[in-house]
Amino acid sequence: KQEVTQIPAALSVPEGENLVLNCSFTDSAIYNLQWFRQDPGKGLTSLLLIQSSQREQTSGRLNASLDKSSGRSTLYIAASQPGDSATYLCAVSEDITQGGSEKLVFGKGTKLTVNP
Amino acid sequence: DTGVSQDPRHKITKRGQNVTFRCDPISEHNRLYWYRQTLGQGPEFLTYFQNEAQLEKSRLLSDRFSAERPKGSFSTLEIQRTEQGDSAMYLCASSLGVTSGRLQETQYFGPGTRLLVL
Repeated sequence: KQEVTQIPAALSVPEGENLVLNCSFTDSAIYNLQWFRQDPGKGLTSLLLIQSSQREQTSGRLNASLDKSSGRSTLYIAASQPGDSATYLCAVSEDITQGGSEKLVFGKGTKLTVNP
Repeated sequence: DTGVSQDPRHKITKRGQNVTFRCDPISEHNRLYWYRQTLGQGPEFLTYFQNEAQLEKSRLLSDRFSAERPKGSFSTLEIQRTEQGDSAMYLCASSLGVTSGRLQETQYFGPGTRLLVL
C-alpha cells in the first residue's frame, strides 16, 4: 500500500526566505507526482506535476524535484512571500501498467506561514 | 471553461438524513474522481469514473455511499443515513483521460463541499 509522508507538518518563516518542503513515498512504482496548494477551507490548486521519467519541474519561484528510486520529492520556494502562506500537499499517482490505480495518494501536507 | 464546480459549497444536516452533492467536471474531461478530506488530513480517494462507468471504489465507500455519473458528464455523490463521522470536505476532480500514449493526466480539483453532520 502506497504511503506518502510530508515533513515538516508546519513551517513558519520570515518573508524573503528560501525554503524546502519534503515529500517521501513508499512505493517507487509511480506514474507522476503532483504538488498542490490548499488555502483554508478551499479546494486544491495544482502547482507542479512531475512525470516519473522527469527529475524536476519549475514554475516561477517554485521548483520541484523527484528522485523516484529513493522515493523522495522536494518543493523549493524561492524568496517566499506572505501570499505563499497555505498548506502544501504532495500526491502520487500510481503506475497502472504495474498494477496501480488511477487514484492520487496524498500526504497530510505542510502548513506554511510566511511572516511579513 | 470555468473549471470544476461543486454544489452545494456547504451543507449542514442532522444525523440520519440523506444528502446529495453534485460535481460538474471540466467539459470534455472524461475522468471524474471523488475524494474526502477530514481536518488536518490529506484527501482520501473514494471513487472514480471513466465516462459513465464507475471503475474503482475505495473501502472507505460504505454501502451508505453511492455515486453516479449517468451521462458521463456531471456526477452525484449521495450519503444515506448520515453519521457524525461523515463530516468532512468532499472534493471532486476531473482529468482529460485521453490516451494517445498517456494513460494518466493531471487531476483538476473543484472547491469542495463541506459537510457537517450534527
